[in-house]
Amino acid sequence: AQTVTQSQPEMSVQEAETVTLSCTYDTSENNYYLFWYKQPPSRQMILVIRQEAYKQQNATENRFSVNFQKAAKSFSLKISDSQLGDTAMYFCAFMNYRSNDYKLSFGAGTTVTVRA
Amino acid sequence: DAGITQSPRHKVTETGTPVTLRCHQTENHRYMYWYRQDPGHGLRLIHYSYGVKDTDKGEVSDGYSVSRSKTEDFLLTLESATSSQTSVYFCAISLLPGNYEQYFGPGTRLTVT
Repeated sequence: AQTVTQSQPEMSVQEAETVTLSCTYDTSENNYYLFWYKQPPSRQMILVIRQEAYKQQNATENRFSVNFQKAAKSFSLKISDSQLGDTAMYFCAFMNYRSNDYKLSFGAGTTVTVRA
Repeated sequence: DAGITQSPRHKVTETGTPVTLRCHQTENHRYMYWYRQDPGHGLRLIHYSYGVKDTDKGEVSDGYSVSRSKTEDFLLTLESATSSQTSVYFCAISLLPGNYEQYFGPGTRLTVT
């Protein structure tokens, strides 16, 4: 089983500031996908961003961007210009797409609170 | 929201009773998943399905069974609920083939007393 580690249980950021969430993973595979999901208080799981391991360019979606360091097995999420609506739990997830199940392996999550 | 619904959304049941959770999708996706969410563990895979009548176990499958008799429905059954199965349960679909993203239903909060 893949191991995904999110070492920051909680983070707090001032509105309009930037916050970076860390994620590391353990795998012997060379080809895989990485994802960040957001879970606001509504409990809905929302896909924020994805990264294919074979792509060197870091993925970006509006105010969300990643820093993918394949050799270090690190996949951090940067939230720029934080907004109150970004308050949520964020999960890092790994998928080995050579497996038959295409399952997601999740980290324990980081709770982000955006302060007004 | 990928057309995924879960029912019920909340349930309280007693230890030893059977419970069935339903996941319904409207877009004929082949792959469907059941995860459970617990504090400190993120989400963990219980069972998944890769087609009608095709299912397999995930990492936390003990005490759970699944069935998929139609493409659109994926049922999760707790044969005899225990307090350790108190959790939030999420169904997900995959956009495979060609897209590895997974999209989730709204979740079911199950409490076993």
